[in-house]
Amino acid sequence: EPEVTQTPSHQVTQMGQEVILRCVPISNHLYFYWYRQILGQKVEFLVSFYNNEISEKSEIFDDQFSVERPDGSNFTLKIRSTKLEDSAMYFCASGNTRAYEQYFGPGTRLTVT
Amino acid sequence: LAKTTQPISMDSYEGQEVNITCSHNNIATNDYITWYQQFPSQGPRFIIQGYKTKVTNEVASLFIPADRKSSTLSLPRVSLSDTAVYYCPTLRDTGKLIFGQGTTLQVKP
Repeated sequence: EPEVTQTPSHQVTQMGQEVILRCVPISNHLYFYWYRQILGQKVEFLVSFYNNEISEKSEIFDDQFSVERPDGSNFTLKIRSTKLEDSAMYFCASGNTRAYEQYFGPGTRLTVT
Repeated sequence: LAKTTQPISMDSYEGQEVNITCSHNNIATNDYITWYQQFPSQGPRFIIQGYKTKVTNEVASLFIPADRKSSTLSLPRVSLSDTAVYYCPTLRDTGKLIFGQGTTLQVKP
């Protein structure tokens, strides 16, 4: 069964550093998403991406965040200058349609020190 | 903003049917109701989706009343491996999933 993959599984970085989280969505999917989950809290939507542009972004997704689909397979989330409060599990998801099942990756645990 | 409310936790025993109810305050006309399962240190996994009435698949049933202000996920004959957190996020027509706090289901032997 095809699955979404994410790398790295765990990233430790210092405050103020840039990080890039990588995702490989399922190959024939057209809709891509990033969510995050702070430890012990609910899953929060960050951004959706379709046809090489952002469809929707949340209030969390400020100017420090960006997404890119640099080639036909990868989907990345960049945080330019990390803050302590960016520490969370970041999930990538993809879907074949906008109105149905989203397939989530295993997540990248980001720890900002 | 579409907000969901569900019990924080539930206990059950192996072999029992479990029903988890979710309130969907302020659900919009174009929103779908979805249910996801999450195990520790994993991403959420889709269970079932519906708009109105009843939907059934190989793992669960979903009941949605006519007013769509609530939904009930029914898991038949749960096993220990069904111990997880269950979410009832609203799916907007933009593709955005809006998660609530989730229900931690503990299945006991």
